[in-house]
Amino acid sequence: EDQVTQSPEALRLQEGESSSLNCSYTVSGLRGLFWYRQDPGKGPEFLFTLYSAGEEKEKERLKATLTKKESFLHITAPKPEDSATYLCAVNTGNQFYFGTGTSLTVIP
Amino acid sequence: DVKVTQSSRYLVKRTGEKVFLECVQDMDHENMFWYRQDPGLGLRLIYFSYDVKMKEKGDIPEGYSVSREKKERFSLILESASTNQTSMYLCASSFSPPGSPLHFGNGTRLTVT
Repeated sequence: EDQVTQSPEALRLQEGESSSLNCSYTVSGLRGLFWYRQDPGKGPEFLFTLYSAGEEKEKERLKATLTKKESFLHITAPKPEDSATYLCAVNTGNQFYFGTGTSLTVIP
Repeated sequence: DVKVTQSSRYLVKRTGEKVFLECVQDMDHENMFWYRQDPGLGLRLIYFSYDVKMKEKGDIPEGYSVSREKKERFSLILESASTNQTSMYLCASSFSPPGSPLHFGNGTRLTVT
């Protein structure tokens, strides 16, 4: 069964404390893996697309990496404004599969 | 930047009413989608469309219908709203090639009383 699992469900970090969020997937025929940021009461905001194992993308304090079974979103020296829910999704052609997200809280 | 605009941020309707949620995208995307998002259940696909006048059922189409008369506009219709349709509704669009990311609107928080 195709599925996407994110861990942890929730993460609390002190400002400046780097960490990683995990997205593991079991799908047939990965066409793309996506990371989104979602603030409360808003729609998901697109961050990155990764297409093949070994690929990396960076944006400010965020860096996404991809292997054949999972993706990591590394957050370096986070700030309170990085607090949000981070969603992972995979595409297998016509289908999108979403994880349930990691809720990140960064404490000043 | 891609812009996906949903007509209402908040909507309160009564049980039995017919409800229209509108979505417009400005990037000439071929594909458009409607999801609902509920705590603990994540995003669930209601309907999607690959072209004008085309529609495909998603995972939870019961109680919903859609309309796509123009490429940029995709409407979700709740034929007779029920309290279990209280949710956050998210519209998304993408280009057609596989692997193209979804771009979401800011959502409509619908409450059915």
